[in-house]
Amino acid sequence: KQEVTQIPAALSVPEGENLVLNCSFTDSAIYNLQWFRQDPGKGLTSLLLIQSSQREQTSGRLNASLDKSSGRSTLYIAASQPGDSATYLCAVGGHQAGTALIFGKGTTLSVSS
Amino acid sequence: DAMVIQNPRYQVTQFGKPVTLSCSQTLNHNVMYWYQQKSSQAPKLLFHYYDKDFNNEADTPDNFQSRRPNTSFCFLDIRSPGLGDAAMYLCATRGTGTYEQYFGPGTRLTVT
Repeated sequence: KQEVTQIPAALSVPEGENLVLNCSFTDSAIYNLQWFRQDPGKGLTSLLLIQSSQREQTSGRLNASLDKSSGRSTLYIAASQPGDSATYLCAVGGHQAGTALIFGKGTTLSVSS
Repeated sequence: DAMVIQNPRYQVTQFGKPVTLSCSQTLNHNVMYWYQQKSSQAPKLLFHYYDKDFNNEADTPDNFQSRRPNTSFCFLDIRSPGLGDAAMYLCATRGTGTYEQYFGPGTRLTVT
């Protein structure tokens, strides 16, 4: 059974700092990994999707990497801003449309000005 | 340019009183999902539709039902809500040949 773990559960950094969020999964037979952002009481906003054949994806100040063999992904946030404060969730998915995304519990990031 | 819309955003219902949550999408995606997210927990899939084919997760309680009258709309019915059903309910979609799931803003359900 696939399990997704995100460490740390919470992280506080000063504005401008570069940071890395970690995600690990137990079954390396995944087809994709998706990083989401969730603001308090809100839905999920997709940040980056990495397919299993890819090693990384970049969007603006965000860079996500995937190492299937070791069951790890990282989300790198450059030059953090207070507006980046949110919970970041990673989720692994299968090839079939009916395969559920299996989520981690998230890392709650707080960026202070 | 909202793509996945959920109504209402907040719903309060009484213990045992049926409630329906709504999801609509403008993406014309053929797959629609319902996830349940309890406080401080990871979202968990309840069921999904592939076109009109309904697929229930094995551990989804019978209390939860769903309807998809057309491509654009999907409903989540909770027949007799219990206090343990208080959660954020998230609707998501996915297109054929893609892996990315697009989520709506969620409906926060409170059971009194």
